[in-house]
Amino acid sequence: AQKITQTQPGMFVQEKEAVTLDCTYDTSDQSYGLFWYKQPSSGEMIFLIYQGSYDEQNATEGRYSLNFQKARKSANLVISASQLGDSAMYFCAMRVPGSNYQLIWGAGTKLIIKP
Amino acid sequence: DAGVTQSPTHLIKTRGQHVTLRCSPISGHKSVSWYQQVLGQGPQFIFQYYEKEERGRGNFPDRFSARQFPNYSSELNVNALLLGDSALYLCASSFRESNQPQHFGDGTRLSIL
Repeated sequence: AQKITQTQPGMFVQEKEAVTLDCTYDTSDQSYGLFWYKQPSSGEMIFLIYQGSYDEQNATEGRYSLNFQKARKSANLVISASQLGDSAMYFCAMRVPGSNYQLIWGAGTKLIIKP
Repeated sequence: DAGVTQSPTHLIKTRGQHVTLRCSPISGHKSVSWYQQVLGQGPQFIFQYYEKEERGRGNFPDRFSARQFPNYSSELNVNALLLGDSALYLCASSFRESNQPQHFGDGTRLSIL
């Protein structure tokens, strides 16, 4: 069965510190995509970063990087130099061909940046 | 370029009524998916359409239906509304069925009284 697990319901981080949000996944497909989305309190779902299962390099997008450890089936999001505007819910998600490419979501992590 | 647009942004209905939510994908995107997000939870997949055909259906009752039009826009219909249908309904589009990212609209917040 396809599954995403986010074990951190909430995190408090001091402004300007780096933060790692955990995500583990389970799938028997060899081809899959892993995604992180940010959802501020206003509700919109903002795409942050993508990692393909065959990508050899860890994905990076500005202050966001994805620590992809395929053997451990983990895809942790790292935010460097956190900012107050980073306070939001963060969701890890996966798309696999075996599920008609629907997004399978974790429960999310609520990140609060302290000034 | 315009992103994914959804209408209306907010909607209040009473039990037993029906509702139609609308979604226009990013220009050039042919795949549209619908998700329901109950407060405090991650989104749940409802439907996926690609090239006007239903490609996937989540674990939702038959009261939920959808369609995709020739211009790739989509409608989600919910009949016989229940209190539990109160949620944020998100529409996402992507160029095709693949492992590429889906891009989301701002959602429609549906409240059932």
